[in-house]
Amino acid sequence: DTVMTQTPLSLPVTPGEPASISCRSSQSLLDRNGYNYLDWYLQKPGQSPQLLIYLGSNRASGVPDRFSGSGSGSYFTLKISRVEAEDVGVYYCMQGLQTPRTFGGGTKVEIK
Amino acid sequence: QVQLQESGPGLLKPSETLSLTCSVSGDSVSGYYWTWIRQPARQGLEWLGRIYGFGAINYNPSFKSRVTMSVDTSKNQFSLKLTSVTAADTALYYCARGSRHSNGYDYIDLWGQGTPVTVSP
Repeated sequence: DTVMTQTPLSLPVTPGEPASISCRSSQSLLDRNGYNYLDWYLQKPGQSPQLLIYLGSNRASGVPDRFSGSGSGSYFTLKISRVEAEDVGVYYCMQGLQTPRTFGGGTKVEIK
Repeated sequence: QVQLQESGPGLLKPSETLSLTCSVSGDSVSGYYWTWIRQPARQGLEWLGRIYGFGAINYNPSFKSRVTMSVDTSKNQFSLKLTSVTAADTALYYCARGSRHSNGYDYIDLWGQGTPVTVSP
């Protein structure tokens, strides 16, 4: 199985400031057609996960443009340009290139 | 607005079979991938498998001998069965929808609220 590693484990943030989460995969997630099979989810407290980014850099419907995904191959980053209070929760990356799909361990974002 | 709702018994004894159903409202089960994911308390997410509305299935090999998924288009729902459960199967179980990108990738874009399952003697 592809192992997904996220850093940091915990990320205290200041509203209005940028934030960044890294995700590394044990195998390349880039296919021969140039797509990176890496998605990002946010699980807000007490809620189900919600899709933020799919295929590495595509924002899901309704996701604010302060969220962006980048990276290729085995290294990916989720950036929040200006953190808002509603962005707190646990962020997960997930690889979709192979089954079983596997998730990173999560990064907990909280307000300082 | 499409909604997913999991249902099933919340409490099982070891060795019993877990049966969960996900009812889909606002859209048809046909034409999408439907996924089961679980989350033990205070832990991360684990992908159990997925089933396409027209029948293709992929299971997580870690569960392959114990898991069965099915779709009932007449009831617009899909189901999960997990046999021989143990305390390690105690978790919040989510059903989710996979929507298809133009390149053929099905990205999980909608989740149910989750249903808790506890396995205890």
